[in-house]
Order: sequence, then structure tokens, then C-alpha cells
Amino acid sequence: DQQVKQNSPSLSVQEGRISILNCDYTNSMFDYFLWYKKYPAEGPTFLISISSIKDKNEDGRFTVFLNKSAKHLSLHIVPSQPGDSAVYFCAASAYVDSNYQLIWGAGTKLIIKP
Amino acid sequence: KAGVTQTPRYLIKTRGQQVTLSCSPISGHRSVSWYQQTPGQGLQFLFEYFSETQRNKGNFPGRFSGRQFSNSRSEMNVSTLELGDSALYLCASSTPRGEYNEQFFGPGTRLTVL
Repeated sequence: DQQVKQNSPSLSVQEGRISILNCDYTNSMFDYFLWYKKYPAEGPTFLISISSIKDKNEDGRFTVFLNKSAKHLSLHIVPSQPGDSAVYFCAASAYVDSNYQLIWGAGTKLIIKP
Repeated sequence: KAGVTQTPRYLIKTRGQQVTLSCSPISGHRSVSWYQQTPGQGLQFLFEYFSETQRNKGNFPGRFSGRQFSNSRSEMNVSTLELGDSALYLCASSTPRGEYNEQFFGPGTRLTVL
């Protein structure tokens, strides 16, 4: 049972345009959401996060939107740059058994075309 | 602070053999998680150790085991290797960030089973 779903395995976007990566979740207990970025041959690195009490968080070119009623979040990158080409993972955190557990999506490979 | 280190970076084994992977977390981090990454499957959670105790466990067979030492370094062992165990194995150490645990990943160990 996938609690965090990234339904698009890959996405191709023109340089300079907006990239929108989507993530859906099923567990209403999730109270924090994170996006990680991964380049080949490297471990994922933290990109941006959002608390469930907010609906938007912005950091430079990156903005994450959260729609709790739809159990959906999205990552917007604008403008997209070649260095943004990577795999993006969505993760959700829940406090279970006295511990924060992180559940990961399958990832979306973003390709920025010049 | 030094980041998360994993050794070895690359490993080639044959079916039936066993393998031990090592992970040194960021200094001060007491939690270490292990993940398996295969194309199309995203990050599959193996297990998490905290203060030398396994705190969480994913849905992997008993051939996959781990341990954590008093200095928080962790090892992961896979016995009776199968072709399907070929993957990138990622280790992450984490520290509490209020409502979630922020994870910091190592570069991974690329295991190839022939």
C-alpha cells in the first residue's frame, strides 16, 4: 500500500519554463512534507519542506503547495534551469510509536531541455 | 561537519555470496536509516537504527539485516545474494527538526550481483 505516490515517473520541461512535480498521499496523519533532489551517483539532498498547517512555502525558485483536502502537494520550479535535471522525491512525515517516520514516493525524473 | 560516508562505493558479488555495507553518520546523529533504490521503485525503506536498537523495519526478507554500534556507525548485511539485490543502497543519518527528522544521505553503495 503506497501511502505516498508520485504518479509521473518522468517529466520533460523546456529551460526557462515552469516545472510542476506532483505528489499524492493517503494518510491524513502526515503532518510534514519534504522534497528531496537526487543526482546520479549521489545521495538525495533536502530541497524544501512544508508543514501541514501551511498551504505554501517558497524558497527562491522553488515553491511547494499543499492541498490538505485533496491530499495533494506539488513542487513548482520557476524558471527551470539545466541543473534542475534530477530525480525528485516527495516524502511525508508522521509521528508514530513515539518516533517520526518518513514515507517516500517513487520519485519523478525531471529533464530540463535546453 | 563531515557528511555521511558509505563504504565501499561499488561492489560486485555473485549469487549466493553475502555482503556487508558500512555507514558512518554525521557526528552527533544517533539515527541511521538504510534504503534500497532500484529504477522505478524509488527509495524502499529497509530499516532504521537508533542508539544501537532497530526502531523501524521495512518489508524486506530476513536476508537483509543490520546493526548499529555505540559510535552510531551502522552496517547492513545481505546474505545469500540474489540477482534482484542489485541496487544502490543508501544510508541516511537524521536529526530532529521539530516536527520531523531531517535525513542526510550518503552517496550510496552500488551493489551488482552477477
